[in-house]
Amino acid sequence: DQQVKQNSPSLSVQEGRISILNCDYTNSMFDYFLWYKKYPAEGPTFLISISSIKDKNEDGRFTVFLNKSAKHLSLHIVPSQPGDSAVYFCAASRLNTNAGKSTFGDGTTLTVKP
Amino acid sequence: DAGITQSPRHKVTETGTPVTLRCHQTENHRYMYWYRQDPGHGLRLIHYSYGVKDTDKGEVSDGYSVSRSKTEDFLLTLESATSSQTSVYFCAISESGQGKSSPLHFGNGTRLTVT
Repeated sequence: DQQVKQNSPSLSVQEGRISILNCDYTNSMFDYFLWYKKYPAEGPTFLISISSIKDKNEDGRFTVFLNKSAKHLSLHIVPSQPGDSAVYFCAASRLNTNAGKSTFGDGTTLTVKP
Repeated sequence: DAGITQSPRHKVTETGTPVTLRCHQTENHRYMYWYRQDPGHGLRLIHYSYGVKDTDKGEVSDGYSVSRSKTEDFLLTLESATSSQTSVYFCAISESGQGKSSPLHFGNGTRLTVT
């Protein structure tokens, strides 16, 4: 049973437009969510996070939205840039446990076309 | 970049041979993790450590063992490698503990091929 799902394996957008990456989870005990970005031949790098007491967190061009009732979160990138082309992983964990024990989605490959 | 070094970066080995992957950190973080990444499976936790000599299993621990004799080093051992263990292995570290939250910082991975 996959507890964190990223249903879109890939997404292609034009430079300057908005990229929206989606993630669904099934475990209602998750209360801390993170997005990581991964370039080829490198390890994932942390992008942005949100705890369940919030419904939005913004950091520059990146905004994460959390809808707890729908068990859904999304990452918005505005405006998208070619350097944003990477694999994006959604991850979920529980704050009252070791946050490193995150459960990851399968990833979405974002391609931003110039 | 967080100071995490994985070695080797690439390894090809034969079925049935033992393999040890090393993760070294210079951040003095208490928590260390081993994940594997496979197509269609994202990142899955193999084992983790919450201190020297303190380790526990993750979701895909069968066929793997770990050891942590020093804060800075976390070793992953495949006692008898199988083709299903062909994967990219990532080490990660974290500052967080009970009641806290912080992201993972990953190394650049070890690509292991078992023939």
